[in-house]
Amino acid sequence: AQSVTQLDSQVPVFEEAPVELRCNYSSSVSVYLFWYVQYPNQGLQLLLKYLSGSTLVKGINGFEAEFNKSQTSFHLRKPSVHISDTAEYFCAVRRDDKIIFGKGTRLHILP
Amino acid sequence: GAGVSQSPRYKVAKRGRDVALRCDSISGHVTLYWYRQTLGQGSEVLTYSQSDAQRDKSGRPSGRFSAERPERSVSTLKIQRTEQGDSAVYLCASSYGAGNTIYFGEGSWLTVV
Repeated sequence: AQSVTQLDSQVPVFEEAPVELRCNYSSSVSVYLFWYVQYPNQGLQLLLKYLSGSTLVKGINGFEAEFNKSQTSFHLRKPSVHISDTAEYFCAVRRDDKIIFGKGTRLHILP
Repeated sequence: GAGVSQSPRYKVAKRGRDVALRCDSISGHVTLYWYRQTLGQGSEVLTYSQSDAQRDKSGRPSGRFSAERPERSVSTLKIQRTEQGDSAVYLCASSYGAGNTIYFGEGSWLTVV
């Protein structure tokens, strides 16, 4: 069965600093990977997705993620964070018709 | 066009009472999902359906949870005899089908007291 592990439950980072949110997946078949963001008091919003092709995927709000098959990882990165990036970030993998989520990483932006 | 909308946004229920949460999905979407999101546990699939046929019930924590789809773009999640452990955010989502982007509603925040 496919599963998703987000190694950090909370990540504090200073404004304008780079950030990496880690995600590892387990799967024996082709994977489709996603990052969703949830801003305070809002629903989940798709940041980016990897279905096939280039392993470097660019998403909204300056985020990008790299699919690494050998390390079974799909880490999310942003070179310079803004206070508005304060949110919870969920890595996810598609299994059949369902999306299976990790437990989330809360990103705290420090002024 | 309109996105996925859920109602009520906030619900407080006394333990033991039944609760119904409504979801209006995006017109034309075939697959409809219900997720439960709890602090520190992420989101788990409760159920999902293709068109009007409920397809997967295995994600439900117990038989107290059921989903009905009276119209293609409307679903109601029913929780019978609520327990305090049912307190969570219930997210509805929909998509055009397998492989397509899944769009989420803003969630219904349920607190069982």
